[in-house]
Amino acid sequence: RKEVEQDPGPFNVPEGATVAFNCTYSNSASQSFFWYRQDCRKEPKLLMSVYSSGNEDGRFTAQLNRASQYISLLIRDSKLSDSATYLCVVIINQGGKLIFGQGTELSVKP
Amino acid sequence: DADVTQTPRNRITKTGKRIMLECSQTKGHDRMYWYRQDPGLGLRLIYYSFDVKDINKGEISDGYSVSRQAQAKFSLSLESAIPNQTALYFCATSDFPTGGWETQYFGPGTRLLVL
Repeated sequence: RKEVEQDPGPFNVPEGATVAFNCTYSNSASQSFFWYRQDCRKEPKLLMSVYSSGNEDGRFTAQLNRASQYISLLIRDSKLSDSATYLCVVIINQGGKLIFGQGTELSVKP
Repeated sequence: DADVTQTPRNRITKTGKRIMLECSQTKGHDRMYWYRQDPGLGLRLIYYSFDVKDINKGEISDGYSVSRQAQAKFSLSLESAIPNQTALYFCATSDFPTGGWETQYFGPGTRLLVL
């Protein structure tokens, strides 16, 4: 089993839709969680960290469920510019290396 | 200018050739990483370095070697390239803050094709 697994894509949604991605992790010692965004084979960039209490940044909401070992990303009012691949990232030990999920591709259509 | 640069950006080579991918950063970060990305597999860690004297193997280090020439430079070598090393390679840096959260800053990537 992969350490970090994401919803298989692609997700094709119309503009204005709400879309949610899930990511599960297998190591209960995982401590830190992030969502990165990657545009069309360019470099990944940090979208947002995921806090235990959940956090929101504009149209984006991240949630963490430690009991079930998953994190989620919710995008409201999708824009064409949200089209990208979203990468779930986990750090097992504080200060340790990052483990990336395989990514979920989102395509927002007019 | 970009904070993390990679050279070359694209490279075509033949099986058995030795090649080097270079990474430079101006962010002043101690930590540097090399990843490869393959379709459907996400990013996988090849090597990482937490400072100039600290080099560690990642998930898929076989067939690769690295050199940390200075805080700002981290090179990846393929000693004898093979076709399944065809991939997109990313260098990254990070600054580990006191709070425990870690953000990675990626270079633009090197597309490598091994024939």
